[in-house]
Amino acid sequence: EVQLVETGGGLVQPGRSLKLSCVASGFTFNNYWMSWTRQAPGKGLEWVASITNSGGSTYYPDSVKGRFTISRDNAQNTLYLQMNSLRSEDTATYYCTRAGSFDYWGQGVMVTVSS
Amino acid sequence: DIQMTQSPSSMSVSLGDTVTITCRASQDVGIYVNWFQQKPGKSPRRMIYRATNLADGVPSRFSGSRSGSDYSLTISSLESEDVADYHCLQYDEYPYTFGAGTKLELK
Repeated sequence: EVQLVETGGGLVQPGRSLKLSCVASGFTFNNYWMSWTRQAPGKGLEWVASITNSGGSTYYPDSVKGRFTISRDNAQNTLYLQMNSLRSEDTATYYCTRAGSFDYWGQGVMVTVSS
Repeated sequence: DIQMTQSPSSMSVSLGDTVTITCRASQDVGIYVNWFQQKPGKSPRRMIYRATNLADGVPSRFSGSRSGSDYSLTISSLESEDVADYHCLQYDEYPYTFGAGTKLELK
Protein backbone atom coordinates (compact mmCIF):
# COMPACT_ATOMS: atom_id res chain seq x y z
CA GLU A 1 0.00 0.00 0.00
CA VAL A 2 1.36 3.40 -1.01
CA GLN A 3 1.68 5.78 1.90
CA LEU A 4 2.90 9.37 2.04
CA VAL A 5 3.23 10.88 5.52
CA GLU A 6 4.03 14.56 5.91
CA THR A 7 5.45 16.16 9.02
CA GLY A 8 6.97 19.46 10.03
CA GLY A 9 4.08 21.88 9.84
CA GLY A 10 3.18 24.46 12.43
CA LEU A 11 2.93 28.12 13.26
CA VAL A 12 5.77 30.31 12.06
CA GLN A 13 6.33 34.07 11.97
CA PRO A 14 6.54 35.93 8.66
CA GLY A 15 10.05 35.96 7.28
CA ARG A 16 11.08 32.79 9.10
CA SER A 17 11.77 29.31 7.73
CA LEU A 18 10.23 25.88 8.00
CA LYS A 19 11.11 22.49 6.55
CA LEU A 20 8.51 19.88 5.69
CA SER A 21 9.24 16.19 5.30
CA CYS A 22 7.32 13.41 3.59
CA VAL A 23 8.18 9.77 4.19
CA ALA A 24 7.11 7.46 1.40
CA SER A 25 6.43 3.74 1.57
CA GLY A 26 4.79 1.03 -0.47
CA PHE A 27 6.54 1.81 -3.74
CA THR A 28 10.02 2.19 -5.16
CA PHE A 29 10.60 5.83 -4.22
CA ASN A 30 13.59 6.44 -6.47
CA ASN A 31 11.56 5.50 -9.55
CA TYR A 32 9.15 8.41 -9.20
CA TRP A 33 9.11 12.15 -9.56
CA MET A 34 7.53 13.79 -6.52
CA SER A 35 5.70 17.04 -5.88
CA TRP A 36 4.32 19.34 -3.23
CA THR A 37 0.89 20.91 -3.65
CA ARG A 38 -0.83 23.28 -1.24
CA GLN A 39 -4.30 24.51 -0.41
CA ALA A 40 -4.97 27.73 1.46
CA PRO A 41 -7.94 27.61 3.84
CA GLY A 42 -11.17 27.57 1.86
CA LYS A 43 -9.31 27.92 -1.44
CA GLY A 44 -8.29 25.79 -4.40
CA LEU A 45 -5.22 23.70 -4.98
CA GLU A 46 -1.87 25.17 -6.02
CA TRP A 47 1.12 23.23 -7.32
CA VAL A 48 4.24 24.25 -5.38
CA ALA A 49 7.21 22.19 -6.56
CA SER A 50 8.30 19.06 -8.38
CA ILE A 51 11.51 17.06 -8.42
CA THR A 52 12.78 14.36 -10.73
CA ASN A 53 13.36 10.85 -9.44
CA SER A 54 17.12 11.39 -9.19
CA GLY A 55 16.74 14.83 -7.64
CA GLY A 56 18.72 16.33 -10.48
CA SER A 57 16.04 18.76 -11.62
CA THR A 58 13.47 20.82 -9.78
CA TYR A 59 10.56 23.00 -10.85
CA TYR A 60 8.62 25.79 -9.12
CA PRO A 61 5.92 28.35 -9.87
CA ASP A 62 6.91 32.00 -9.64
CA SER A 63 5.00 32.36 -6.36
CA VAL A 64 7.62 30.34 -4.47
CA LYS A 65 10.66 30.36 -6.75
CA GLY A 66 13.75 31.54 -4.87
CA ARG A 67 12.10 30.97 -1.48
CA PHE A 68 11.20 27.26 -1.50
CA THR A 69 13.50 24.33 -2.24
CA ILE A 70 12.33 20.81 -2.92
CA SER A 71 14.80 17.98 -2.31
CA ARG A 72 14.83 14.28 -1.65
CA ASP A 73 16.85 11.56 0.03
CA ASN A 74 16.27 8.38 -1.92
CA ALA A 75 18.13 6.28 0.64
CA GLN A 76 15.64 7.40 3.28
CA ASN A 77 12.57 7.45 0.99
CA THR A 78 11.99 11.01 2.08
CA LEU A 79 10.91 14.16 0.27
CA TYR A 80 11.55 17.61 1.68
CA LEU A 81 10.33 21.16 1.21
CA GLN A 82 12.50 23.90 2.66
CA MET A 83 10.45 27.07 2.93
CA ASN A 84 12.28 30.36 3.55
CA SER A 85 11.10 33.96 3.82
CA LEU A 86 7.61 32.77 4.61
CA ARG A 87 4.68 35.07 3.98
CA SER A 88 1.11 35.11 5.25
CA GLU A 89 -0.04 33.96 1.81
CA ASP A 90 1.96 30.74 2.27
CA THR A 91 -0.53 29.69 4.97
CA ALA A 92 -1.98 26.44 3.68
CA THR A 93 -2.20 22.71 4.00
CA TYR A 94 0.77 21.20 2.17
CA TYR A 95 0.40 17.84 0.46
CA CYS A 96 3.14 15.51 -0.69
CA THR A 97 2.11 13.91 -3.96
CA ARG A 98 3.53 11.23 -6.17
CA ALA A 99 4.06 13.10 -9.39
CA GLY A 100 3.87 12.06 -12.90
CA SER A 101 0.17 11.76 -12.51
CA PHE A 102 -0.57 12.91 -8.96
CA ASP A 103 -2.01 9.49 -8.18
CA TYR A 104 -1.22 9.39 -4.47
CA TRP A 105 -1.46 12.17 -1.89
CA GLY A 106 -0.42 12.39 1.72
CA GLN A 107 -2.80 13.45 4.47
CA GLY A 108 -1.41 16.97 4.41
CA VAL A 109 0.31 19.16 6.97
CA MET A 110 -0.83 22.62 8.02
CA VAL A 111 1.51 25.59 7.84
CA THR A 112 0.36 28.85 9.40
CA VAL A 113 2.39 31.99 8.83
CA SER A 114 1.40 34.64 11.32
CA SER A 115 2.90 36.98 13.87
CA ASP B 1 0.92 30.32 -17.52
CA ILE B 2 -1.89 28.05 -18.66
CA GLN B 3 -5.24 28.97 -17.17
CA MET B 4 -7.75 26.25 -16.38
CA THR B 5 -11.15 27.91 -16.28
CA GLN B 6 -13.44 25.61 -14.34
CA SER B 7 -17.22 25.85 -14.36
CA PRO B 8 -19.50 25.97 -12.59
CA SER B 9 -17.98 27.08 -9.30
CA SER B 10 -20.85 25.44 -7.47
CA MET B 11 -23.80 23.29 -8.36
CA SER B 12 -26.93 22.29 -6.50
CA VAL B 13 -27.66 18.66 -7.33
CA SER B 14 -30.09 15.86 -6.57
CA LEU B 15 -29.39 12.19 -6.12
CA GLY B 16 -29.66 10.40 -9.45
CA ASP B 17 -28.70 13.49 -11.48
CA THR B 18 -26.15 13.43 -14.25
CA VAL B 19 -23.58 16.11 -13.45
CA THR B 20 -21.00 17.61 -15.81
CA ILE B 21 -18.13 19.85 -14.74
CA THR B 22 -15.89 21.50 -17.33
CA CYS B 23 -12.41 22.96 -17.46
CA ARG B 24 -11.29 25.04 -20.42
CA ALA B 25 -7.56 25.26 -21.00
CA SER B 26 -6.13 28.55 -22.26
CA GLN B 27 -3.51 26.68 -24.31
CA ASP B 28 -3.16 23.19 -25.67
CA VAL B 29 -2.50 20.73 -22.88
CA GLY B 30 -3.11 17.58 -24.88
CA ILE B 31 -4.31 14.70 -22.75
CA TYR B 32 -2.57 15.86 -19.57
CA VAL B 33 -5.59 16.71 -17.49
CA ASN B 34 -6.58 15.02 -14.26
CA TRP B 35 -9.73 15.31 -12.17
CA PHE B 36 -9.71 15.08 -8.39
CA GLN B 37 -12.43 14.66 -5.81
CA GLN B 38 -11.99 16.22 -2.39
CA LYS B 39 -14.21 15.79 0.63
CA PRO B 40 -14.08 18.16 3.62
CA GLY B 41 -10.94 17.69 5.68
CA LYS B 42 -9.58 15.05 3.31
CA SER B 43 -6.83 14.88 0.72
CA PRO B 44 -7.71 15.03 -2.96
CA ARG B 45 -8.37 11.71 -4.67
CA ARG B 46 -7.51 11.20 -8.30
CA MET B 47 -10.62 10.21 -10.25
CA ILE B 48 -9.62 10.63 -13.90
CA TYR B 49 -6.14 10.78 -15.43
CA ARG B 50 -4.96 11.74 -18.89
CA ALA B 51 -8.35 13.27 -19.60
CA THR B 52 -10.36 10.10 -20.08
CA ASN B 53 -8.89 7.29 -17.98
CA LEU B 54 -10.71 6.07 -14.88
CA ALA B 55 -8.38 5.77 -11.90
CA ASP B 56 -8.20 2.53 -9.96
CA GLY B 57 -11.16 1.90 -7.68
CA VAL B 58 -13.25 4.77 -9.08
CA PRO B 59 -16.87 3.85 -9.84
CA SER B 60 -17.79 3.56 -13.49
CA ARG B 61 -20.42 6.31 -13.14
CA PHE B 62 -17.49 8.74 -13.37
CA SER B 63 -16.12 9.52 -16.81
CA GLY B 64 -13.82 12.06 -18.42
CA SER B 65 -13.95 13.50 -21.90
CA ARG B 66 -12.23 16.05 -24.08
CA SER B 67 -13.49 18.29 -26.84
CA GLY B 68 -10.76 20.54 -28.12
CA SER B 69 -9.61 22.63 -25.17
CA ASP B 70 -12.61 21.69 -23.05
CA TYR B 71 -12.23 18.88 -20.57
CA SER B 72 -15.23 17.47 -18.76
CA LEU B 73 -15.93 15.27 -15.78
CA THR B 74 -19.33 13.60 -15.85
CA ILE B 75 -20.98 11.81 -12.96
CA SER B 76 -23.89 9.67 -14.05
CA SER B 77 -26.62 8.86 -11.56
CA LEU B 78 -25.14 10.88 -8.70
CA GLU B 79 -24.89 9.14 -5.35
CA SER B 80 -24.65 10.79 -1.94
CA GLU B 81 -20.97 9.85 -1.61
CA ASP B 82 -20.22 11.90 -4.74
CA VAL B 83 -21.13 15.19 -3.07
CA ALA B 84 -17.73 16.85 -2.77
CA ASP B 85 -15.44 19.41 -4.34
CA TYR B 86 -13.90 18.61 -7.71
CA HIS B 87 -10.71 20.03 -9.18
CA CYS B 88 -9.08 19.78 -12.59
CA LEU B 89 -5.32 19.92 -13.14
CA GLN B 90 -3.21 20.42 -16.23
CA TYR B 91 0.21 18.83 -16.02
CA ASP B 92 1.33 19.29 -19.57
CA GLU B 93 3.45 22.34 -18.95
CA TYR B 94 5.04 24.06 -15.97
CA PRO B 95 3.73 25.70 -13.93
CA TYR B 96 1.12 23.03 -13.44
CA THR B 97 -2.22 24.70 -12.81
CA PHE B 98 -5.49 23.71 -11.21
CA GLY B 99 -8.98 24.93 -11.91
CA ALA B 100 -10.64 26.95 -9.15
CA GLY B 101 -12.81 24.01 -8.13
CA THR B 102 -16.47 23.03 -8.23
CA LYS B 103 -18.51 22.47 -5.11
CA LEU B 104 -21.43 20.05 -5.40
CA GLU B 105 -24.21 20.57 -2.89
CA LEU B 106 -27.41 18.62 -2.42
CA LYS B 107 -30.67 20.44 -3.05
